[in-house]
Amino acid sequence: AQSVTQLGSHVSVSEGALVLLRCNYSSSVPPYLFWYVQYPNQGLQLLLKYTTGATLVKGINGFEAEFKKSETSFHLTKPSAHMSDAAEYFCAVTNTGNQFYFGTGTSLTVIP
Amino acid sequence: DAMVIQNPRYQVTQFGKPVTLSCSQTLNHNVMYWYQQKSSQAPKLLFHYYDKDFNNEADTPDNFQSRRPNTSFCFLDIRSPGLGDAAMYLCATSTKSGVYTAFFGQGTRLTVV
Repeated sequence: AQSVTQLGSHVSVSEGALVLLRCNYSSSVPPYLFWYVQYPNQGLQLLLKYTTGATLVKGINGFEAEFKKSETSFHLTKPSAHMSDAAEYFCAVTNTGNQFYFGTGTSLTVIP
Repeated sequence: DAMVIQNPRYQVTQFGKPVTLSCSQTLNHNVMYWYQQKSSQAPKLLFHYYDKDFNNEADTPDNFQSRRPNTSFCFLDIRSPGLGDAAMYLCATSTKSGVYTAFFGQGTRLTVV
C-alpha cells in the first residue's frame, strides 16, 4: 500500500523567506514521488518528480525536493518565496503508474 | 503543444439531470484518469482506463460512469447529480512505459443547483 502525508495544511512565509513544505511517504517498493501545484480553479501542474538516481531534484519556478529514503521524506523547498508562489501544493506517490496517491495538500500563503 | 483538455471549464446542472464532462488528450497516453476534488481536499480517484480496460475504485458511487471511445477521448457521466457531487473534476493521463507522470487538464468546476 502507498500513501503520502503532508504535514501542515497551511503554511505562511514572508516574501523572500525560505519555503519548506513537508511530505512523508509510505511505500512497500521504491516509489516515484511528485510535487504538484494548483492555482485557484486550475488543474494540477507538475513541479518536479523523483524517479531514480540523484536524490536532489530540481523543478520549475526555483523549487527543489530531496528524496531521503531513511526518513521516507520528500520535502519541497524554495530558497526565496515570491508572491506568485501562493497556491495549493500536493505531494503524490506511485509505483505502478496505474494509481497516483495524493496528500491532503498544503496551502501556501506568501506575506508581502 | 500536446496537452490534456477538459470541456467545459465550468458546468452548471440541475439536481438529478444527467451531465457529461469531456476530456481529450494529444499526448497519446494509454492511461486516463478521472479525479473528483472537493474544496480544500486532495483529488480523489474515481476510475481510470488502461487502454480500453476500465478500473473502477471500490468506493466510487454507481452514479458515476465513464466512457473511453478511443485513445484521445474520455467522458465522465453523472447520471443523477446530487448537491454532494458539486466539485472540481480533473482528468489526467499517464503512460505505462518509461517514467510515470500524471498530466492534468485544467479541470471542470461542476455546480449543482
